Amino acid sequence: AQKITQTQPGMFVQEKEAVTLDCTYDTSDQSYGLFWYKQPSSGEMIFLIYQGSYDEQNATEGRYSLNFQKARKSANLVISASQLGDSAMYFCAMRALLMDSNYQLIWGAGTKLIIKP
Amino acid sequence: EPEVTQTPSHQVTQMGQEVILRCVPISNHLYFYWYRQILGQKVEFLVSFYNNEISEKSEIFDDQFSVERPDGSNFTLKIRSTKLEDSAMYFCASSEYDGGNTQYFGPGTRLTVL
Repeated sequence: AQKITQTQPGMFVQEKEAVTLDCTYDTSDQSYGLFWYKQPSSGEMIFLIYQGSYDEQNATEGRYSLNFQKARKSANLVISASQLGDSAMYFCAMRALLMDSNYQLIWGAGTKLIIKP
Repeated sequence: EPEVTQTPSHQVTQMGQEVILRCVPISNHLYFYWYRQILGQKVEFLVSFYNNEISEKSEIFDDQFSVERPDGSNFTLKIRSTKLEDSAMYFCASSEYDGGNTQYFGPGTRLTVL
C-alpha cells in the first residue's frame, strides 16, 4: 500500500530564510510521481512541483525545489528566500504512473508553515 | 491561464437533503477527479472519471454518491441523502491525461450539513 508521511505538523520560519518541508513515502510501485501542493487559509489547493521517480534531476520551479532521495524514499520541498505569502499548509502527495494502476493521489497529513516577519 | 472552477463556493444543507456540487474542468483535460477534505484532516480521494465512466473509486464513494458529466464542460458530484459526516471541503481536479500528469484543483466547495 502507498503511504505518505509528513512528520512536521507545523513550522515557524523567519522571512527570507530557506525552509525544508519533509516528506517520506512508501510504495511498492516501480514508477510513481511525487507532488507538492500549497493550501492557503482561503482553502484552494495550488500545485507547486512534480517529481517523477525516474527523473534523474531534482525538480525546480522558481523558488521551489524538490530534494528527491530515492533510496531514502524522501521528497522534501525546499523553499528558498521565504516570503510572508508562503504561509500556508503544504501537502505532499503521490500516485502510481503505470497503466492500469490506481491514479488517485495519496496524501500526507500536511505541514502548516508560518513565515514570521 | 486556464483553471478549474467550482460552484458554489459554500453550500449549507439539512441532513437528508440532496446536494449537487458543480465543477468545470480545464477544457482540454480528459481525466476528472473528486477529493474531499474534512476540516483539519487529510485529503481523501473519492472518484476518478474518464471517457464518461468511473475509472476508480474509493470506499468512501458509496451508493449515496454519484458523478456525471452532463454536457461537454460540467462535471458534477451528487450526494443523494447528506449526512452530518459529509461536511467537508470538496475539491474537483482535472488532468490532461493519465499517468504522472499533474492534477489541477479547483478552489473547492465547502459543504456544511446541519
